[in-house]
Amino acid sequence: DQQVKQNSPSLSVQEGRISILNCDYTNSMFDYFLWYKKYPAEGPTFLISISSIKDKNEDGRFTVFLNKSAKHLSLHIVPSQPGDSAVYFCAAGSSTSGTYKYIFGTGTRLKVLA
Amino acid sequence: DSGVTQTPKHLITATGQRVTLRCSPRSGDLSVYWYQQSLDQGLQFLIQYYNGEERAKGNILERFSAQQFPDLHSELNLSSLELGDSALYFCASSARQGGNSPLHFGNGTRLTVT
Repeated sequence: DQQVKQNSPSLSVQEGRISILNCDYTNSMFDYFLWYKKYPAEGPTFLISISSIKDKNEDGRFTVFLNKSAKHLSLHIVPSQPGDSAVYFCAAGSSTSGTYKYIFGTGTRLKVLA
Repeated sequence: DSGVTQTPKHLITATGQRVTLRCSPRSGDLSVYWYQQSLDQGLQFLIQYYNGEERAKGNILERFSAQQFPDLHSELNLSSLELGDSALYFCASSARQGGNSPLHFGNGTRLTVT
């Protein structure tokens, strides 16, 4: 049962335009969401997070939007740069039995074209 | 550099063998997570430790075990290895075991079982 889904395996965007990466989840107990970027041969790098009490969080070129009623979050990158080309993972966390677990999506490969 | 150190970077071994993967968390982080990433798959949660104690288990096989030592480093032991165990194994650490504490990943250990 895939609790966190990234339905687009890949996305291509022109340099300077907006990249929008989407993520859907099924478990309403998730209350903390994160986005990671991963380059080949490296570990995932934390980008930005959002708590379920917010609907938007911004950090420079990166903005995450959370729609709790739709169980949907998205990452906007504006403007997109060639260095943003990577695989992006969303993750959702919830507290279970006194601890915290994070479930990751399968990733979306972003290619920013120069 | 995330501050999380994983050794070795690469490991090649034969079926039926046993290996140990090592992780040193970021300085001050008490929580350690292990994830497995098979080819073109997302990150599958294996197990989490907090300050030496096991706190959560995911899809971890009985042939796999882990522990976190008093100095907070962690080891993941994989035994009776099968071809299907070939994957990237990531360790991540966080400051707390609760929410609002993003995971910081190491660069992974690539295990190849032949």
